[in-house]
Amino acid sequence: GAGVSQTPSNKVTEKGKYVELRCDPISGHTALYWYRQSLGQGPEFLIYFQGTGAADDSGLPNDRFFAVRPEGSVSTLKIQRTERGDSAVYLCASSQAAGSYNEQFFGPGTRLTVL
Amino acid sequence: EDQVTQSPEALRLQEGESSSLNCSYTVSGLRGLFWYRQDPGKGPEFLFTLYSAGEEKEKERLKATLTKKESFLHITAPKPEDSATYLCAVRGFQGAQKLVFGQGTRLTINP
Repeated sequence: GAGVSQTPSNKVTEKGKYVELRCDPISGHTALYWYRQSLGQGPEFLIYFQGTGAADDSGLPNDRFFAVRPEGSVSTLKIQRTERGDSAVYLCASSQAAGSYNEQFFGPGTRLTVL
Repeated sequence: EDQVTQSPEALRLQEGESSSLNCSYTVSGLRGLFWYRQDPGKGPEFLFTLYSAGEEKEKERLKATLTKKESFLHITAPKPEDSATYLCAVRGFQGAQKLVFGQGTRLTINP
């Protein structure tokens, strides 16, 4: 596709529920990243995939958060037992490959609201 | 731990009034400093990458510069459509592929 796409654009859920957020990277990009952005703050790193494997998941806040990329393209971020503090915009980015000279291009984000 | 601090938090200018945004950073070996623009309700849009002190890049009314401790985003004769939040991020050797962002500068250009 022309850019990174994310679905849904908005998700409202209740505390304790399970949610899945989807990211479709730019065609041909092998590296994929998830970030979380709270109001008035810059994005914070969550996890990075190179191909199908999670190369760095050091930013995941706890074991309620999990992400997969089974075929090396589309990725799903999964949040179990959601809490009000999980409310934020979840951003996905992709780059041609990992490495110093590859810029990350971001999608529009999914705004998650936990009531 | 890599850190980025941006100043000011918010800046209001009149159309045509030039100014600069600051990004101060500490990083364990710089592998790139990135500037993004973010409009309300949208994802960050890539602007520039700088790799070494002394490097400069330009795009329309924007010019980014880099020293060993900070980067500046200079905006010359801005227009109202330049209003946005400008984000600075670094990638360091210890952080591998992740970007560490500052909190952003919210720029408003009044006509």
